Amino acid sequence: KQEVTQIPAALSVPEGENLVLNCSFTDSAIYNLQWFRQDPGKGLTSLLLIQSSQREQTSGRLNASLDKSSGRSTLYIAASQPGDSATYLCAVITSGTYKYIFGTGTRLKVLA
Amino acid sequence: AAGVIQSPRHLIKEKRETATLKCYPIPRHDTVYWYQQGPGQDPQFLISFYEKMQSDKGSIPDRFSAQQFSDYHSELNMSSLELGDSALYFCASSSRAQGAYNEQFFGPGTRLTVL
Repeated sequence: KQEVTQIPAALSVPEGENLVLNCSFTDSAIYNLQWFRQDPGKGLTSLLLIQSSQREQTSGRLNASLDKSSGRSTLYIAASQPGDSATYLCAVITSGTYKYIFGTGTRLKVLA
Repeated sequence: AAGVIQSPRHLIKEKRETATLKCYPIPRHDTVYWYQQGPGQDPQFLISFYEKMQSDKGSIPDRFSAQQFSDYHSELNMSSLELGDSALYFCASSSRAQGAYNEQFFGPGTRLTVL
């Protein structure tokens, strides 16, 4: 059974810092991995999608990498801003299914 | 660009009542997924439909049922509501015709509160 874990569970950093969020999954047979942002009580905003054949994806200040063999993905946020404060979720689709299994989330707070 | 539409956005019900949540996928998307996110929890997959047929089933209670209609919109019917059903319900859509594991696009969610 696929399990997705995110470390750390919460993170507080001063504005301007570069930071890394970690996502690990137990079954490396995945089709893709997607990173989302969620503001309190709000919906899911898709940030980056990495297909299983890809190693990384970039969008603006965000860079996500995928190492399928080790069951890990990292989301790198450059020059963090207070507006980046939110919960970040990773989710994977495991081979043979079409549904997302979500991680436990990292609650990020960027201090001005 | 058109997004996934969910209605209603907020719903308040009493225990033992029924509720119907609606989802309108992005045009030309053929697959719809339902997820439930309880307070402080990560989203959990409930059920999905591809071309109007159920394609996968997760931890959906027997009190819940869902279907996808000919216009590809989907409805999640919830009966005998319990306090524990209070959650944010997300619908997502994708186009399996364009690739089985394409990105799922999520709607804004319906917040259900059971009193």
